[in-house]
Amino acid sequence: GEDVEQSLFLSVREGDSSVINCTYTDSSSTYLYWYKQEPGAGLQLLTYIFSNMDMKQDQRLTVLLNKKDKHLSLRIADTQTGDSAIYFCAAVTKDSNYQLIWGAGTKLIIKP
Amino acid sequence: DTEVTQTPKHLVMGMTNKKSLKCEQHMGHRAMYWYKQKAKKPPELMFVYSYEKLSINESVPSRFSPECPNSSLLNLHLHALQPEDSALYLCASSQGGAGQFFGPGTRLTVL
Repeated sequence: GEDVEQSLFLSVREGDSSVINCTYTDSSSTYLYWYKQEPGAGLQLLTYIFSNMDMKQDQRLTVLLNKKDKHLSLRIADTQTGDSAIYFCAAVTKDSNYQLIWGAGTKLIIKP
Repeated sequence: DTEVTQTPKHLVMGMTNKKSLKCEQHMGHRAMYWYKQKAKKPPELMFVYSYEKLSINESVPSRFSPECPNSSLLNLHLHALQPEDSALYLCASSQGGAGQFFGPGTRLTVL
């Protein structure tokens, strides 16, 4: 079945760009998602990309999808202290019936 | 209305208590979900309702009992829980592949 992997931590300076990476194993993944979770809060759907797209941009967020390498990234431009959170990558596949397969989450740490 | 609401925000219960968690959405989504999340881990799927019918039960112990009274409401009834059931319980809803929308969760502590 699908396996989704992320590195556990990323540390960036305020004002720099953050790039959070995710890899997945199932080439039949149809939708890929990025969720943000702040401490003590629920999960916020940040953005998603359909598998027939290579890139999606929404204000400070850019999602890149490399289907050949099964690699997904989330770039946050001009990172602010409010971006400090855990970011989860998730995928659905043809067989998962829209059930989300989750990565372990990347904790984004912002240095002043 | 693009919000999923959950009540209560916090719940402390003893192992012999019976309590219920409630979830509501008015986005017209026909799929609703219960997840359990431990600290700093991804959420674990518990139950899925599709068109008000239970479609997935991920081998959840019977001390958790879901209910979907109508297309906007989802309940999770709790009885005889164990301390290891303490976690953040999240409700979500979706329609198609555009993603699941999560509520803020109920922080449950079992004493």
